[in-house]
Amino acid sequence: GAVVSQHPSWVICKSGTSVKIECRSLDFQATTMFWYRQFPKQSLMLMATSNEGSKATYEQGVEKDKFLINHASLTLSTLTVTSAHPEDSSFYICSASPGGSGYTFGSGTRLTVV
Amino acid sequence: QQPVQSPQAVILREGEDAVINCSSSKALYSVHWYRQKHGEAPVFLMILLKGGEQKGHEKISASFNEKKQQSSLYLTASQLSYSGTYFCGTKDGGATNKLIFGTGTLLAVQP
Repeated sequence: GAVVSQHPSWVICKSGTSVKIECRSLDFQATTMFWYRQFPKQSLMLMATSNEGSKATYEQGVEKDKFLINHASLTLSTLTVTSAHPEDSSFYICSASPGGSGYTFGSGTRLTVV
Repeated sequence: QQPVQSPQAVILREGEDAVINCSSSKALYSVHWYRQKHGEAPVFLMILLKGGEQKGHEKISASFNEKKQQSSLYLTASQLSYSGTYFCGTKDGGATNKLIFGTGTLLAVQP
């Protein structure tokens, strides 16, 4: 089946530094990828839609200058959390639709900012 | 707007049944159901398309009432492995193709 590979699985960084998270579609082309954030005991909240070759579309309330999204190829989307702070600590997960109506999710990245 | 799920949490004994509801304030094109274990990615359960569809496999089934903008997930004869948080995801048929997750229902199955 369709697979989305997400790296790293977890990362710990110092406050003020930037962190990059990668999502790759391994066996299909993804013109669109979706980035979610999940705080403990909460739902997955859509942050942005990543579009290959064009600007990402951000959901209301998400700072586009803080969460930089790049979708330079049909198989790779990256999310960079810039100047991370402890309140950015969360579970970040990407997804893509390989065709039809379904979605495939990456394994998620646990970000801890200290 | 985020779909609302009910109940927020439910505790079952093995073998008992449960129903999880998902309600949206917007017209829906499809409803997706996922189960998530702590610290893991959501696992796909099923998709229901508009048209009053019902689906099921083994002891998990679901229904979708597009007129009421609601969907329900039915868990029959629950097993310990059913424990986790259940989310519905909804699409409104717009051009964005984005999936919006519901508020979630925590299900705990005890021996």
